[in-house]
Amino acid sequence: DGGITQSPKYLFRKEGQNVTLSCEQNLNHDAMYWYRQDPGQGLRLIYYSQIVNDFQKGDIAEGYSVSREKKESFPLTVTSAQKNPTAFYLCASSRRGPALRGEQFFGPGTRLTVL
Amino acid sequence: QQPVQSPQAVILREGEDAVINCSSSKALYSVHWYRQKHGEAPVFLMILLKGGEQKGHEKISASFNEKKQQSSLYLTASQLSYSGTYFCGTEPLTSGGSNYKLTFGKGTLLTVNP
Repeated sequence: DGGITQSPKYLFRKEGQNVTLSCEQNLNHDAMYWYRQDPGQGLRLIYYSQIVNDFQKGDIAEGYSVSREKKESFPLTVTSAQKNPTAFYLCASSRRGPALRGEQFFGPGTRLTVL
Repeated sequence: QQPVQSPQAVILREGEDAVINCSSSKALYSVHWYRQKHGEAPVFLMILLKGGEQKGHEKISASFNEKKQQSSLYLTASQLSYSGTYFCGTEPLTSGGSNYKLTFGKGTLLTVNP
């Protein structure tokens, strides 16, 4: 079955440590996204990538970094520079192209808690 | 620019109707609607691209006004399974639809009780 996987589901880290969240998709989608979700805030875009080896900052990129070396993978690193990293992180992917505009498929999410 | 959703929360009894609004101060290229159940990933409902467009998905439908600044999601004869948080995601018209980046509203929490 095609889909998006995120691991782990729950992650605990000590303050000051970098942590990398995994996102893999086998949908053959070109575009991938990382969102952060906090209670009452909706989904806020951290980074997005439209194609391999290219990515753009979203609305809240400070303290985060990404890479897109493979079409299937878009890992997110939460660095120690992120002031308030505890949140629910969602990865998504979508097809790309003017005639193919459609839905974003979301992974199950990773809940990160920084102690 | 984050779209404004209203109401923030609504409580219904099974069988009642609800309307959720999504407004922008500027014209939009598209509006996407998603539903997220507690602890789960958001799931796509529908996308609207054209001013004046209306779309349906079972008993859930949506409209996009002519000025392309407001979309409404209509839930009729609500069922228990409709409970969740509804988000609209928007693309500004100025993007020309070229960057596939959505800005989501803060969500509307819908609770359907028996």
